[in-house]
Amino acid sequence: QVQLVQSGAEVKKPGASVKFSCKASGYTFGDYYMHWVRQAPGQGLEWMGIINPSSGSTSYSQKFHGRVTMARDTSTSTVHMELSSLKSEDTATYYCAREPRNQVFFDYWGQGTLVTVSS
Amino acid sequence: DIQMTQSPSSLSASVGDRVTITCRASHNIGSNLNWYQQKPGKAPNVLIYSASNLQSGVPSRFSGSGSGTDFTLAISILQPEDLGTYFCQQTYNTPYTFGQGTKVEIK
Repeated sequence: QVQLVQSGAEVKKPGASVKFSCKASGYTFGDYYMHWVRQAPGQGLEWMGIINPSSGSTSYSQKFHGRVTMARDTSTSTVHMELSSLKSEDTATYYCAREPRNQVFFDYWGQGTLVTVSS
Repeated sequence: DIQMTQSPSSLSASVGDRVTITCRASHNIGSNLNWYQQKPGKAPNVLIYSASNLQSGVPSRFSGSGSGTDFTLAISILQPEDLGTYFCQQTYNTPYTFGQGTKVEIK
C-alpha cells in the first residue's frame, strides 16, 4: 500500500534552517509528482511547491522563493525539502502529498512534520 | 494568485441533515477544483476531484458540483463521522490555493 512517512518534529530558532524528509513506498517513486503543503496551527492549508521525482525538476510558490529547496533521492525513494531563514510565522505542520497520474489533486499525504520556530 | 472563498466558515447540523458548502474562485478555474476533509490532528483526505468526481473509497453521500467560479460540496445525509474541516482547492494554476475551510460540527 502507498505510504508517505515523514521525518519527526523539530524546534528551531529564528534565522535557522530546517530540513524535512518524506519517504515513499508502495508505488513507483518516479511516476508521481510530490507536493509540499503547510498548515499553521488552527489555520488553513498553504501550497509550497512541487517536485518531479523522476527528473528532479521543481516549481515553488513565489512566497517561498529563495527560502525553499526541494530535492529527491531516487535510491531511497525520498523527497526532501529545506526551508531557510526561519521566522516565527513558519511554525506549522508540513505535509508531503502525492499527485496521481493524469489528475491534479493530492491522493496520499504524509503524516505531517511539526516545526516550531521560537527563540 | 487565485483566491478561494468558502462559506460558511462553520456550521452545526444534525445527523441525517443535508449539508452544503460553497467555494468561490476569484478567477474562472474551469473544473479544476478539489474538496478535502480534514479531521483533527490528521492530514487532509480527498473527497472530490475535478469538481464532481468522487474519489475511490469515499462514501456516495458526498457529491460535488459547479464550474467556472462557483462550486458546491454536498453531504446528502450527514453522519457522525463527517465532523471535521472541509477545504476546497484550485489546481487551475500555481500556486495551488485553498479555501480557508469550513468546520462542520454535529448537533
